[in-house]
Amino acid sequence: NAGVTQTPKFQVLKTGQSMTLQCAQDMNHNSMYWYRQDPGMGLRLIYYSASEGTTDKGEVPNGYNVSRLNKREFSLRLESAAPSQTSVYFCASRDYFGQSYEQYFGPGTRLTVT
Amino acid sequence: TQLLEQSPQFLSIQEGENLTVYCNSSSVFSSLQWYRQEPGEGPVLLVTVVTGGEVKKLKRLTFQFGDARKDSSLHITAAQPGDTGLYLCAGGSNNNDMRFGAGTRLTVKP
Repeated sequence: NAGVTQTPKFQVLKTGQSMTLQCAQDMNHNSMYWYRQDPGMGLRLIYYSASEGTTDKGEVPNGYNVSRLNKREFSLRLESAAPSQTSVYFCASRDYFGQSYEQYFGPGTRLTVT
Repeated sequence: TQLLEQSPQFLSIQEGENLTVYCNSSSVFSSLQWYRQEPGEGPVLLVTVVTGGEVKKLKRLTFQFGDARKDSSLHITAAQPGDTGLYLCAGGSNNNDMRFGAGTRLTVKP
């Protein structure tokens, strides 16, 4: 049981290049999320998928697209990377248990855009 | 402007000391979660509180949700070097709207 996995772990891009960050979970959770973490800013939601086949914008969606490929997989794409997208990206999955939900994070992808 | 304000931003203490960190907001949350994050890893959920005034204990950690469900505190008794990390609070308003604070970075020196 691996939980939430992300690839790659590190990536360096040049301005204007594109890439896709991959995320998979094996906990059979319905909801999946993409966050970015910047110093002093906490975690900010980029996009989420409440269930297979649906996606919605979060707090900071500009410059990103997502695909919920199936229940397990949720990818994040940067079409034309910008230096402002230098950050650590975390994928998470979440499901409801009793009165509240539990959220599990992947190990993160550290992206640098030069 | 952070929806959730965490204080202090940084805290460095000696092993064996007690400490309290705070998470405050002007918004009411249906639930509040605390996470610990170690360098190079993702946040790990410690606890979820859902009822105003609720207190939960996890070994040496005590979590409290404010009566008005706008704030929370985390108290650590007899801190250990293994408690070192970034402590994040996150407030949930519904199943998908969860906002995180910027965190308190705790260092416990042996």
